[in-house]
Amino acid sequence: KNEVEQSPQNLTAQEGEFITINCSYSVGISALHWLQQHPGGGIVSLFMLSSGKKKHGRLIATINIQEKHSSLHITASHPRDSAVYICAVPYGGSQGNLIFGKGTKLSVKP
Amino acid sequence: EPEVTQTPSHQVTQMGQEVILRCVPISNHLYFYWYRQILGQKVEFLVSFYNNEISEKSEIFDDQFSVERPDGSNFTLKIRSTKLEDSAMYFCASIVDRAQETQYFGPGTRLLVL
Repeated sequence: KNEVEQSPQNLTAQEGEFITINCSYSVGISALHWLQQHPGGGIVSLFMLSSGKKKHGRLIATINIQEKHSSLHITASHPRDSAVYICAVPYGGSQGNLIFGKGTKLSVKP
Repeated sequence: EPEVTQTPSHQVTQMGQEVILRCVPISNHLYFYWYRQILGQKVEFLVSFYNNEISEKSEIFDDQFSVERPDGSNFTLKIRSTKLEDSAMYFCASIVDRAQETQYFGPGTRLLVL
């Protein structure tokens, strides 16, 4: 079974700062997911990536399959980015079934 | 934009009672999932469902749990005899196919077992 570790657990930043959240996993995978959980509990899928880098707006996700490590970056952070960011990897080899990390709680202060 | 819906948003029940949590996945999606999140803990996979049968389940998904897609639109999770430790947020999710990038989550049902 894959173990997913995220760091840091909590992160406080000032508006405009560059944010990095890290994720490492123990067993080789074909793809990794980054998700955002809003304060109200809703979950939104941000990225699924299997290699290299993906960018969507101010969010950038990178993955190094050999090192079993991924990072999520937020450029020019804004208070509305405040949420829990979760890394997840496939459970049992299937893309849809996910094992989740504990999440990184990000708070961006104005 | 299409969305996954779940009902009810909140449910309170007595220990030992049966509960049914309902989800309406996005209409052209083929793979369906239930996850749960105990308060303050990480999200956990429960079960996946495809072609009217369970394709994978976790160790959490024991004989007290069942899923079905009774009418081609609803996707339900039944807990036969609830325990205190079943108190959690339950999320339904769906995808078109396993290669799709975006997994669509419903807003969740918060279940409280007293």
